[in-house]
Amino acid sequence: DTGVSQDPRHKITKRGQNVTFRCDPISEHNRLYWYRQTLGQGPEFLTYFQNEAQLEKSRLLSDRFSAERPKGSFSTLEIQRTEQGDSAMYLCASSLGPASTGELFFGEGSRLTVL
Amino acid sequence: GQQLNQSPQSMFIQEGEDVSMNCTSSSIFNTWLWYKQDPGEGPVLLIALYKAGELTSNGRLTAQFGITRKDSFLNISASIPSDVGIYFCAGSNDYKLSFGAGTTVTVRA
Repeated sequence: DTGVSQDPRHKITKRGQNVTFRCDPISEHNRLYWYRQTLGQGPEFLTYFQNEAQLEKSRLLSDRFSAERPKGSFSTLEIQRTEQGDSAMYLCASSLGPASTGELFFGEGSRLTVL
Repeated sequence: GQQLNQSPQSMFIQEGEDVSMNCTSSSIFNTWLWYKQDPGEGPVLLIALYKAGELTSNGRLTAQFGITRKDSFLNISASIPSDVGIYFCAGSNDYKLSFGAGTTVTVRA
């Protein structure tokens, strides 16, 4: 499978614990995005990397959230001291050109449940 | 929060019927996109529109980019059971997509 892959697909954790999600983009794509989707809503932009550089962060990304893309390939999204409000689907996407070209491909998401 | 207003929120349709949904925005976008999301999956791109006034088809799907660049609609003709899902519009000017809240389509066989 050469699409965007995310791991884990599901994570249940207790409030206050740290969680980390991994995203492997399509291999030739240099742009990588994280989105968050809550029930009944569309995805909301969190952050964007071009190669290893994090170029934009949404104000939704509080200081408990950190994303990295150390070698310009895979990316991790870590949430520290999780809260119940962090429960959501975390979607990763990648593209070769700008998102506005429409050639942006999403992974299947990592669903987080915080108890 | 969401910048795009998508309607209707949900619809029940009879198999074989045509479906129409639309999306409006307070902001201008240079690109409009329509995605479909199945339960437990990520969104999949259906149609991309790049020019105001553009009308684009993809099989039974037709979408238009509004002339003001602040709206778009999606039509599905002759719906079939596999059209069930959530349809999202999205607008983009550069690196990010802004999504609507989705239209949930349920098909009655």
